[in-house]
Amino acid sequence: QSVLTQPPSVSAAPGQNITISCSGSYSNIGNNYVTWYQQLPGTAPKLVIYDNNKRPSGIPDRFSGSKSGTSATLGITGLQTGDEADYYCGPWDGSLNALVFGGGTKLTVL
Amino acid sequence: QVQLQESGPGLVKPSETLSLSCAVSGYSISSGYYWGWFRQPPGKGLEFIGSIYHSGSTYYNPSLKSRVTISVDTSKNQISLKLISVTAADTAVYFCARRYLNSVNAFDIWGQGTMVTVSS
Repeated sequence: QSVLTQPPSVSAAPGQNITISCSGSYSNIGNNYVTWYQQLPGTAPKLVIYDNNKRPSGIPDRFSGSKSGTSATLGITGLQTGDEADYYCGPWDGSLNALVFGGGTKLTVL
Repeated sequence: QVQLQESGPGLVKPSETLSLSCAVSGYSISSGYYWGWFRQPPGKGLEFIGSIYHSGSTYYNPSLKSRVTISVDTSKNQISLKLISVTAADTAVYFCARRYLNSVNAFDIWGQGTMVTVSS
């Protein structure tokens, strides 16, 4: 069982906007930067958000991140079929002394 | 363009040692950066195994620390992972990755991963 809670699935139509939540505790999200990864089927994770709300070069501004207290949120606007993937949040956990990940959220673009 | 490529046996027997390599191309490991290992059991989420700096200093996930060794070979420009006393629970896709320069815990370049099955 992960120390971070993500909804198992989210779905929406192309063009719509979605958010994916990641709920944790003071020892992880509450006191550390949050990272978000996108994982397309059968591929390696891809960094889409780091340090709560920053986008690496090449990630479109349709992707955004935010954090409040012990929860973080990934937002995607203008959904595209290519966004269909699993999304993982991943902060450092100061109690476990390790990077930890949520269980992942499967985004389906209908 | 930096690329990472994992390699190693796809099948390991229970109680034996899992050994993987991660070849880095397009960048000299000795120049810097942290490098990490992760794994993902079939149908499950990601797990951080540990990381290593180009100088050789390591950090291991406490949950695996007693069984893991990560090393760097600058002459071959690769990093390695050894996991001893494996069980079926170690069956997973194993990824190596480079830590993003602008962040303390984000990894921006990943290998494609290699599947390792623990079975007799």
